[in-house]
Amino acid sequence: EDKVVQSPLSLVVHEGDTVTLNCSYEVTNFRSLLWYKQEKKAPTFLFMLTSSGIEKKSGRLSSILDKKELFSILNITATQTGDSAVYLCAVEVGYGGATNKLIFGTGTLLAVQP
Amino acid sequence: EADIYQTPRYLVIGTGKKITLECSQTMGHDKMYWYQQDPGMELHLIHYSYGVNSTEKGDLSSESTVSRIRTEHFPLTLESARPSHTSQYLCASSDLATLETQYFGPGTRLLVL
Repeated sequence: EDKVVQSPLSLVVHEGDTVTLNCSYEVTNFRSLLWYKQEKKAPTFLFMLTSSGIEKKSGRLSSILDKKELFSILNITATQTGDSAVYLCAVEVGYGGATNKLIFGTGTLLAVQP
Repeated sequence: EADIYQTPRYLVIGTGKKITLECSQTMGHDKMYWYQQDPGMELHLIHYSYGVNSTEKGDLSSESTVSRIRTEHFPLTLESARPSHTSQYLCASSDLATLETQYFGPGTRLLVL
């Protein structure tokens, strides 16, 4: 059975700290790994990773994928209170095209204190 | 502006009522999805569609039904709501050209009394 596991489940830090969120997976027919940020309601897209070892960056956020060890990390540097959210990891599985689907982890709840 | 919309945002309804949750997207995406998410839990795929007149059941068994008569519209219907249907329902869409980068609507929070 396809499985996506995120750790830690929750994390409380102070503004300015750097955090690392983990996502490991066991799936068949891996296609890509995606990170989402969920505040209050719907998830918003952050990154999509398909190749090992290539870091994706967007401002203070960065992410990298290790397809050999089957995990990804999401780093947030110089955290701000606005970074407080649930961060979701999802793995795309399938044979390509229309039949692919996403398997979501339970998320990591990040709380950034002033 | 291209976007994905869900209505209603909140719904409180009695047991046995028929309800339809609306989802529309203006991005011209072929694929659309419905997810169910209980508080603090992962998203579970309950329905998806490849395009007009195509619908499939997802990983989580659901008593709801969907239809896809128009590309931009993917409503979800519960014929007889029960308290066990209380949850958040998220609609999403994606373009085959961008693999599985799914864009989510704001969600509908449903409470069945």
